[in-house]
Amino acid sequence: SQTIHQWPATLVQPVGSPLSLECTVEGTSNPNLYWYRQAAGRGLQLLFYSVGIGQISSEVPQNLSASRPQDRQFILSSKKLLLSDSGFYLCAWNLGAYEQYFGPGTRLTVT
Amino acid sequence: AQTVTQSQPEMSVQEAETVTLSCTYDTSESDYYLFWYKQPPSRQMILVIRQEAYKQQNATENRFSVNFQKAAKSFSLKISDSQLGDAAMYFCAYRSADGTASKLTFGTGTRLQVTL
Repeated sequence: SQTIHQWPATLVQPVGSPLSLECTVEGTSNPNLYWYRQAAGRGLQLLFYSVGIGQISSEVPQNLSASRPQDRQFILSSKKLLLSDSGFYLCAWNLGAYEQYFGPGTRLTVT
Repeated sequence: AQTVTQSQPEMSVQEAETVTLSCTYDTSESDYYLFWYKQPPSRQMILVIRQEAYKQQNATENRFSVNFQKAAKSFSLKISDSQLGDAAMYFCAYRSADGTASKLTFGTGTRLQVTL
């Protein structure tokens, strides 16, 4: 069966520091991968998605970037965090036309 | 661009009763998918139910069913025999049938409280 992992689960970082969040999927090949952000009390906003290694599409221009160095690995990064980057970050995967499956998420607090 | 609207920020239901959560969407497309996701306090998103727009029959998964009205662009979720474990945020989501990546557009969510 397929599983999706995210780490870290919780992160507290000062403003201006770098960020690296990792997502990996097991038990499948060539999945579509997605990064979402959920601000407090709000819905999910799609940040990036990837349909293959090295292929990244950005949905919202901002302080973040994404990379996909391996088939089942998706990384969310920032060179300098802003206060507005605080939130709950969710990674998701799917195959083709079907529903997305979400990871456990990372709670990021920028202080 | 597609939009998804959930007009009920909070709902409450008594245990064993039935509750309906509302969702409307705006699209010019004829083929698409609609989903309901549940987000419990753990915050992991869990798929509840899926509806394909080309299917007239409403989807059902155990105690969960939908009322899909394509012409009205409405997609409500009915939870029967509510249980304490149903307490969560519920998100309605839209996905176009086009494109390689199935990007989801989410509503703002409805917080469901289940009382004894």
